Amino acid sequence: GAGVSQTPSNKVTEKGKYVELRCDPISGHTALYWYRQSLGQGPEFLIYFQGTGAADDSGLPNDRFFAVRPEGSVSTLKIQRTERGDSAVYLCASSVHGGAYTGELFFGEGSRLTVL
Amino acid sequence: ILNVEQSPQSLHVQEGDSTNFTCSFPSSNFYALHWYRWETAKSPEALFVMTLNGDEKKKGRISATLNTKEGYSYLYIKGSQPEDSATYLCAFFYNTDKLIFGTGTRLQVFP
Repeated sequence: GAGVSQTPSNKVTEKGKYVELRCDPISGHTALYWYRQSLGQGPEFLIYFQGTGAADDSGLPNDRFFAVRPEGSVSTLKIQRTERGDSAVYLCASSVHGGAYTGELFFGEGSRLTVL
Repeated sequence: ILNVEQSPQSLHVQEGDSTNFTCSFPSSNFYALHWYRWETAKSPEALFVMTLNGDEKKKGRISATLNTKEGYSYLYIKGSQPEDSATYLCAFFYNTDKLIFGTGTRLQVFP
């Protein structure tokens, strides 16, 4: 596709359930980022992939959160045993290159997760 | 803890007014400073990527300056229009992996 695609756009789940959020980056972009945005806050870094590997996962809040990018393209963010505090907009972004001299990030429209 | 601070938090201006926002970031280990515009129900879009001290960038009525030694960047909008209403985010690239975002400035332009 032309841009970064995220699915689902909206997800409502119950506390304790498992959730997967998918990101399809722009073709050819090697770098992929996940951010989380809570109400009134700026996007909070979660994890950065360079190709298939997680170059930096220091932003994942705890071991309930996990992300994969097995073929260096599509990425899935997985949240186990969801809690109400996980409710947020989860943003995915990609860029041509990663690293310090990366250019602009291209964002998807986000997946809004609501945990009841 | 690395902090990227933006001010003001929100701004309401009349159509035609010029306005500016501030982004403050740590002045050490600087790699790049990004500005994004995020309109409601859309995805954030890049405005500028700035890397050099003294950089000035312009896109239409919007311009930005960068001072890496003192750790700040200004975003200016000349002659604000209702379509400029959005949240403006700055983000600081402080090492090879993380782009750290500020909390944003929410701009509302009234006709």
